[in-house]
Amino acid sequence: AQKVTQAQTEISVVEKEDVTLDCVYETRDTTYYLFWYKQPPSGELVFLIRRNSFDEQNEISGRYSWNFQKSTSSFNFTITASQVVDSAVYFCALSEANSGYALNFGKGTSLLVTP
Amino acid sequence: DTEVTQTPKHLVMGMTNKKSLKCEQHMGHRAMYWYKQKAKKPPELMFVYSYEKLSINESVPSRFSPECPNSSLLNLHLHALQPEDSALYLCASSPKVGEGVPDTQYFGPGTRLTVL
Repeated sequence: AQKVTQAQTEISVVEKEDVTLDCVYETRDTTYYLFWYKQPPSGELVFLIRRNSFDEQNEISGRYSWNFQKSTSSFNFTITASQVVDSAVYFCALSEANSGYALNFGKGTSLLVTP
Repeated sequence: DTEVTQTPKHLVMGMTNKKSLKCEQHMGHRAMYWYKQKAKKPPELMFVYSYEKLSINESVPSRFSPECPNSSLLNLHLHALQPEDSALYLCASSPKVGEGVPDTQYFGPGTRLTVL
């Protein structure tokens, strides 16, 4: 069963628009961790953020912000004032204690930002 | 510095060839990983090395043979591959901060493998 659902397969926006990438997860563990990675066309997976299940504080880093809501099992990612360099595939991933903390990736959302 | 390097960047090989992929990190990380990623799919875990010992093998066919010569190096030896093994092979490392706490994995740029 898919533990991490990224329902948006592809999103296309025009530069300077804000865009939110959705991530819904499923777990029975009380201790788990959530991650976002960016994969540009070059192929390297770039770590963006890690959040544990006990910390529901939202996080902002420059133009990036993350909204973690345990009540809806969601960990959404917003890019403000998008830029062409934000074009990439973004993966949300879940790491659970019961799975030995292996990374369980969602299928990814491909974001295209056009000038 | 969160750099993981991988060589070669691209590799084309025939089904009878033997080749190796190399991964290196100098961050003092004690866990290293191999992932396989097919086009438009998420990465799939293949192997995990923890303190230079193989700790996870996700039922990977024996034509893929991992090796961890030391704490900084991870190799993936390839032999008698099939065309369906063509993919991006990603290496990652993590600090291995302790039991019961997941590490953040840092990925290399990958080797794009084509099997003819």
